[in-house]
Amino acid sequence: ETGVTQSPTHLIKTRGQQVTLRCSSQSGHNTVSWYQQALGQGPQFIFQYYREEENGRGNFPPRFSGLQFPNYSSELNVNALELDDSALYLCASSFNGGAYEQYFGPGTRLTVT
Amino acid sequence: AQSVTQLGSHVSVSEGALVLLRCNYSSSVPPYLFWYVQYPNQGLQLLLKYTTGATLVKGINGFEAEFKKSETSFHLTKPSAHMSDAAEYFCAVSDSWGATNKLIFGTGTLLAVQP
Repeated sequence: ETGVTQSPTHLIKTRGQQVTLRCSSQSGHNTVSWYQQALGQGPQFIFQYYREEENGRGNFPPRFSGLQFPNYSSELNVNALELDDSALYLCASSFNGGAYEQYFGPGTRLTVT
Repeated sequence: AQSVTQLGSHVSVSEGALVLLRCNYSSSVPPYLFWYVQYPNQGLQLLLKYTTGATLVKGINGFEAEFKKSETSFHLTKPSAHMSDAAEYFCAVSDSWGATNKLIFGTGTLLAVQP
């Protein structure tokens, strides 16, 4: 059974640029949730994708967007990067939207300079 | 809305001592509660979860937690700390609305284990 994988591991971008982060869900899972973890904080929910549709969104602006593909992998896109977007971005997969068994990937560390 | 509060951002124990990490929750519905562990530069690993049924939940690595509705608590314990337990621990509650289930996390407790 393959676990949740994320790429890239680390990324450095300049303010105003755009970035795409990728996540492959665990085998058998059809739901992907994205979280932002700022330094010293707990993860904050960005949005969730279920069967290729956005299935709920947290308190993040529209410049945070996503996609889910037919194989249930997912992308997180952030436009017009700001310094405060520097964080660890975590992807979690689950089955049928359930939160009671979310499996997290290792994360992508984004630094915005 | 659901929320969790973790008391103590830093906890230090000696190797072999009891580990107690505190978590209180607020929920308008019967909660699903979780503890996750995060090692440096890694993602989150599920330690244990409470959904329904038995209120004492056993997890991996010798950890356990007890759901106490009257105290709205879900504290994490381990009888004897190992050096390898040094990590950050997050308590979380499931928040469901419509078809969306998300996790709401506390701010974390960094556990240090002294030799």
